[in-house]
Amino acid sequence: DAGVIQSPRHEVTEMGQEVTLRCKPISGHNSLFWYRQTMMRGLELLIYFNNNVPIDDSGMPEDRFSAKMPNASFSTLKIQPSEPRDSAVYFCASSRRDSSTDTQYFGPGTRLTVL
Amino acid sequence: GESVGLHLPTLSVQEGDNSIINCAYSNSASDYFIWYKQESGKGPQFIIDIRSNMDKRQGQRVTVLLNKTVKHLSLQIAATQPGDSAVYFCAENIYGNKLVFGAGTILRVKS
Repeated sequence: DAGVIQSPRHEVTEMGQEVTLRCKPISGHNSLFWYRQTMMRGLELLIYFNNNVPIDDSGMPEDRFSAKMPNASFSTLKIQPSEPRDSAVYFCASSRRDSSTDTQYFGPGTRLTVL
Repeated sequence: GESVGLHLPTLSVQEGDNSIINCAYSNSASDYFIWYKQESGKGPQFIIDIRSNMDKRQGQRVTVLLNKTVKHLSLQIAATQPGDSAVYFCAENIYGNKLVFGAGTILRVKS
């Protein structure tokens, strides 16, 4: 089975540019999570969706960040305008909420560098 | 310039020895806990989980112990192998399906 798919794997952009990160969750999973990982702050939850609906976006740093999930098989995380401090690895994870497990499975991540 | 960031604890073990990685969690209401392994350049990979109604769970070469009294979680790896070298994270389910991750522990296996 395919795991969580993220694209691009690497992104280098200049300050002020718009960046869009993409995620395809595992088929059948109904929860999707966006995380950011940095040396300074570790792994932080930015936002998560249940059944395509945003549930908790309290981790989104500021209005420059936005996330959408138009359908069960696709989500985007957008940064506009990007800043050097946004440089990090961004992970998408998905899970299937049922009575037995809420295990989140992570994608390979997108390494973002903002110059 | 000076490098600033999280200073992760490091556990160095000899190949073949057992490893024990510890984690303190924050919320006494947390009901679900997971251990993840992260290798360089990859996303966190699920290892084993445990619910709060249990105090021990075993997998293949791994055991998770939960002590709710002192809010402590540990991961035991038997017969540690070079491929076990990675950063290990514990995570607790605070509410709903929102996980909070610990800072991580670096495991280095010496051959």
